[in-house]
Amino acid sequence: DTGVSQNPRHKITKRGQNVTFRCDPISEHNRLYWYRQTLGQGPEFLTYFQNEAQLEKSRLLSDRFSAERPKGSFSTLEIQRTEQGDSAMYLCASSLQDRGKGGYTFGSGTRLTVV
Amino acid sequence: AQKITQTQPGMFVQEKEAVTLDCTYDTSDPSYGLFWYKQPSSGEMIFLIYQGSYDQQNATEGRYSLNFQKARKSANLVISASQLGDSAMYFCAMRGDTGRRALTFGSGTRLQVQP
Repeated sequence: DTGVSQNPRHKITKRGQNVTFRCDPISEHNRLYWYRQTLGQGPEFLTYFQNEAQLEKSRLLSDRFSAERPKGSFSTLEIQRTEQGDSAMYLCASSLQDRGKGGYTFGSGTRLTVV
Repeated sequence: AQKITQTQPGMFVQEKEAVTLDCTYDTSDPSYGLFWYKQPSSGEMIFLIYQGSYDQQNATEGRYSLNFQKARKSANLVISASQLGDSAMYFCAMRGDTGRRALTFGSGTRLQVQP
């Protein structure tokens, strides 16, 4: 397994369109996280899955955002009716445990530009 | 609630010298973990070092060491013998061992290593 994979790497979309991003975690990792990172800022937590269950959602995750992790494997993050403020890097991370060093492995992100 | 503060937006260091990147934190969790990540221009978050709140000794990983002062709630990263490849964004992050399992990040420090 080569790590966490995110597709696409870059996405340019027109305002009002829907977009979907995919994250393939490390296969044995049961925890999956989505973060959003705007220019010059640190990543901000969006949502978290343990297996297929979505256990927590940030207030940043408006009703235009939805995330799924069917069968506890890959995850998708969909943004409906995109706005210019949605332009950001969307990072996915996975982990096997969340205590101690609890290695979080991050993907390279999907950079979204809304024009 | 958890908060990470990084007060140095940018730092310069000469190649082969040591540099300290500051990080202070705030949390109500009695047990927590502190992380440092490196983010090169390619975008992926690279794990550098971890410190548990009850660890007796400061963490070290190769050229990276963490100066953990629990009473001051600080977790500064020390990079020894800086290399040109160390130029990147550096993020301090924390995770409480109760409640939210995701990382909370600071706003980052951009380190530039000069030849």
